[in-house]
Amino acid sequence: GAVVSQHPSWVICKSGTSVKIECRSLDFQATTMFWYRQFPKQSLMLMATSNEGSKATYEQGVEKDKFLINHASLTLSTLTVTSAHPEDSSFYICSARDPQTLNQPQHFGDGTRLSIL
Amino acid sequence: GENVEQHPSTLSVQEGDSAVIKCTYSDSASNYFPWYKQELGKRPQLIIDIRSNVGEKKDQRIAVTLNKTAKHFSLHITETQPEDSAVYFCAASITNAGKSTFGDGTTLTVKP
Repeated sequence: GAVVSQHPSWVICKSGTSVKIECRSLDFQATTMFWYRQFPKQSLMLMATSNEGSKATYEQGVEKDKFLINHASLTLSTLTVTSAHPEDSSFYICSARDPQTLNQPQHFGDGTRLSIL
Repeated sequence: GENVEQHPSTLSVQEGDSAVIKCTYSDSASNYFPWYKQELGKRPQLIIDIRSNVGEKKDQRIAVTLNKTAKHFSLHITETQPEDSAVYFCAASITNAGKSTFGDGTTLTVKP
């Protein structure tokens, strides 16, 4: 089945550091990918929709200058958390819809656990 | 926009019993309803889905029912096993239109 690969799986860094997270669709092309943030015991909160070749669409309340999204190819989207601070610590998950599969279900990456010290 | 409500937030059952999780949605244009299972620290995985032109779908011990008129859909797990313990999310979306709206999740615990 469709596979989405996300790296790194775990990041620990100092406050003020910028962190880049990669999301790749391994066996299908995805014109659209999604970035979520998940707090412990809570639901998936959509941060932004990443569109290949164009600007990302951010959800209300998400700082676009803080969370930079680039979708330069049909198989890769990146999320950069700029000047990260402890409040940015969270579990970040990407997903992509497989356009070749009926109903185009979302397939999720393994997530990135970000800890800012 | 779409609003999805999911109940209950926690559910505890004995092994072998059935579990039912219910969701309601608000946007009548939504036509695709997947269910995801997420184990602790892992990715959500699609376990079953249903389109609005179907009222029920079953896959072994898992079934989903949809009432389009009432805008609600449910996940049914029969003969529960300890490995069914996880967080389950429902979602609603419009096929081919992009993002899904997720429910808040249900933590299912199956006691041996």
